[in-house]
Amino acid sequence: DTGVSQDPRHKITKRGQNVTFRCDPISEHNRLYWYRQTLGQGPEFLTYFQNEAQLEKSRLLSDRFSAERPKGSFSTLEIQRTEQGDSAMYLCASSPGTSGRYETQYFGPGTRLLVL
Amino acid sequence: AQKITQTQPGMFVQEKEAVTLDCTYDTSDPSYGLFWYKQPSSGEMIFLIYQGSYDQQNATEGRYSLNFQKARKSANLVISASQLGDSAMYFCAMRGETGANSKLTFGKGITLSVRP
Repeated sequence: DTGVSQDPRHKITKRGQNVTFRCDPISEHNRLYWYRQTLGQGPEFLTYFQNEAQLEKSRLLSDRFSAERPKGSFSTLEIQRTEQGDSAMYLCASSPGTSGRYETQYFGPGTRLLVL
Repeated sequence: AQKITQTQPGMFVQEKEAVTLDCTYDTSDPSYGLFWYKQPSSGEMIFLIYQGSYDQQNATEGRYSLNFQKARKSANLVISASQLGDSAMYFCAMRGETGANSKLTFGKGITLSVRP
């Protein structure tokens, strides 16, 4: 049983460019989450999907950020017109969606973004 | 809203000894879940242990146990028989009734270094 995978693992881009990250959850996990983690901090919630429906978005998710999960499997997170403040680790997590209220989220290895 | 506080500076422990990592939380939700994750330098968040607020007993998972004191709003992680591979960042997190199926709220983390 493979874990959550994310691609790419590292991304360096210039300010103003668009970037897209991909997350493949654990097979048959219905719920998928995106978090952002800056240096010295814990992860902060960005958004959450139940199957293909985006059910919650944090105010951290500005208009330049968009996330999709078109077929309820993998998800993409796009950042348009990147800014230096977007430099962070972007973490994806998934959970079964069948285990009750406080079910465990399992995280991927993350994508480290550096905006120059 | 939920809040997690982890205020310990970097922690050091001798190999094979036990160590306690502190976590206090604040929430107005009557029920909630508490989690501990480990983040090695590679970046992946690894789930360690879960405690439900109405669980009668403190959670244990192998060398990990959770010292849950509800009245004091603390959920300290105890690692017994420390190993060199335990050196990592440790994050306490919670989910309340509001958004029970969505976001985790994390603390800032604690760095643990295990000395040989």
